[in-house]
Amino acid sequence: KQEVTQIPAALSVPEGENLVLNCSFTDSAIYNLQWFRQDPGKGLTSLLLIQSSQREQTSGRLNASLDKSSGRSTLYIAASQPGDSATYLCAVLGSGGSEKLVFGKGMKLTVNP
Amino acid sequence: GAVVSQHPSWVICKSGTSVKIECRSLDFQATTMFWYRQFPKQSLMLMATSNEGSKATYEQGVEKDKFLINHASLTLSTLTVTSAHPEDSSFYICSASGGPSSYNEQFFGPGTRLTVL
Repeated sequence: KQEVTQIPAALSVPEGENLVLNCSFTDSAIYNLQWFRQDPGKGLTSLLLIQSSQREQTSGRLNASLDKSSGRSTLYIAASQPGDSATYLCAVLGSGGSEKLVFGKGMKLTVNP
Repeated sequence: GAVVSQHPSWVICKSGTSVKIECRSLDFQATTMFWYRQFPKQSLMLMATSNEGSKATYEQGVEKDKFLINHASLTLSTLTVTSAHPEDSSFYICSASGGPSSYNEQFFGPGTRLTVL
């Protein structure tokens, strides 16, 4: 059974710092991995999707990497801003034909001005 | 593209009543829709997967007679919480796949906050 872990559960940093968010998963047989952002009381916003054959994806100040063999992904946020404050969720899609996304519990990020 | 809406965004109901939540894919045909539940400060828990025109597949521990799912068209799925009780209070989020992305990407709705008094 796939398990996704995000550590730490929360992080508070001053504005301007470069951040690394970690995600690990137990079963390397994945189809893709997604990073999402969730604001309080809101739905999920997809940030980046990495296919199993890819090693990284970039969008603006965000860069996500994937090391499938070691079961790890990182989300790098450059020059953090208060508007980046949110909960960040990592999710993996299994490659066994199932379309079920397995989510981590998320990491609550607070960027202080 | 790939916008998913949910209605209502929030609902308050009395215990024992039924509540229907709609999930729509606005600009693509969703071959599969998913319903999740999220408790405070917890991650999303998949409740069921539905394909257009067929019965939903429920996850273990989810009562199919209590959470009725209908996927009548390629753009609409509904979740009906029957005989709701306070413990059903939660944030319900739907997602849809089959959109412009070819990577089995799921696009999420904004969620519905259900409060049962």
